[in-house]
Amino acid sequence: AQSVSQHNHHVILSEAASLELGCNYSYGGTVNLFWYVQYPGQHLQLLLKYFSGDPLVKGIKGFEAEFIKSKFSFNLRKPSVQWSDTAEYFCAVNAPGTYKYIFGTGTRLKVLA
Amino acid sequence: KAGVTQTPRYLIKTRGQQVTLSCSPISGHRSVSWYQQTPGQGLQFLFEYFSETQRNKGNFPGRFSGRQFSNSRSEMNVSTLELGDSALYLCASSTGTQSLTDTQYFGPGTRLTVL
Repeated sequence: AQSVSQHNHHVILSEAASLELGCNYSYGGTVNLFWYVQYPGQHLQLLLKYFSGDPLVKGIKGFEAEFIKSKFSFNLRKPSVQWSDTAEYFCAVNAPGTYKYIFGTGTRLKVLA
Repeated sequence: KAGVTQTPRYLIKTRGQQVTLSCSPISGHRSVSWYQQTPGQGLQFLFEYFSETQRNKGNFPGRFSGRQFSNSRSEMNVSTLELGDSALYLCASSTGTQSLTDTQYFGPGTRLTVL
């Protein structure tokens, strides 16, 4: 069965610090990978996704993620966070053709101004 | 373009009752997925419907059921409510093709409290 692990449940950073949120998945076949964000009081929205090709994926608001197949990882990064990045971040995996998305438990990021 | 809408936004029920939640997808979207969100557990997949057919389901007891209508609107039903069913129930709509251009759009959720 597929599973997704997000090891950091809570992260606190100061503005301008660099961010890396870990995501590891468990699945032996081809996967599509996603990062979603939930800002306070807002709906979940897609940050970025990886389907195939270049393992370094760029998303909205300066976020990027790197797919490392050998490590089953899809870590989210941002070189310099802003106070407005305070949110909860979810990693998700989908095996093509299964119509099922498995989410991690989320990482709450708080950025101090 | 109107987003995904869910009704009602808040519900309070007692143990043993049943509840029906509704989700209206974005116009043109034929896929609706349902998730249960609880603190510490993240989002757990309940089921996905496409053109009135359930294509996959998660590991939830049979008390959780769903359906989709010909206009793509979807409902989920929970019978014999338990305290542990208290959660935010999210639905997401997409074209259902799962192609690179397909994206899940989430609704605001229905907050269910079971007393």
